[in-house]
Amino acid sequence: ETGVTQSPTHLIKTRGQQVTLRCSSQSGHNTVSWYQQALGQGPQFIFQYYREEENGRGNFPPRFSGLQFPNYSSELNVNALELDDSALYLCASSLPGTDSPEAFFGQGTRLTVV
Amino acid sequence: AQRVTQPEKLLSVFKGAPVELKCNYSYSGSPELFWYVQYSRQRLQLLLRHISRESIKGFTADLNKGETSFHLKKPFAQEEDSAMYYCALRGGSEKLVFGKGTKLTVNP
Repeated sequence: ETGVTQSPTHLIKTRGQQVTLRCSSQSGHNTVSWYQQALGQGPQFIFQYYREEENGRGNFPPRFSGLQFPNYSSELNVNALELDDSALYLCASSLPGTDSPEAFFGQGTRLTVV
Repeated sequence: AQRVTQPEKLLSVFKGAPVELKCNYSYSGSPELFWYVQYSRQRLQLLLRHISRESIKGFTADLNKGETSFHLKKPFAQEEDSAMYYCALRGGSEKLVFGKGTKLTVNP
């Protein structure tokens, strides 16, 4: 059984650019959630994908978008990057339907916007 | 609205002392409550969940619906307990709502 993996681990982008972050879910998990963690803050929910469909969204603008693929891996895309988008982006996978399902987190991608 | 409050940003105790990390929540329904921990240079991982009513690494947490609290306790802190601790709530959907976290330092 493999854990949640994210790529890249670090990334530096310029304001206005676009970025794609990737996540491979834990084996057998069909649900992927993305979180943004700014410095000194707890993770904040961006959105969730379940079986390739968006299944809930937090308070983030439309320039944050995502995809989930048939193998349940996922991408987070951010357009028109702003300085405030600098944060650690976390991906978590889970298997709903179990009793209080656990979310397994990846190591995160550290995005710096300059 | 769903909200989790961890009033202490930093908490420092000596080895062997009791420790309590506070967590209060706001949610109108029946929430699921969790404690996540992040050790230095490691990923965020689940420590315990209220539904399991178990003790993990000597830590326990009791859901108090009257006080809307889910404080994390350990009677005798160890140096290896030093980490960031996040309280999280899940209510009505799969998303987790996290508090801002408490950095626990256990001094020798």
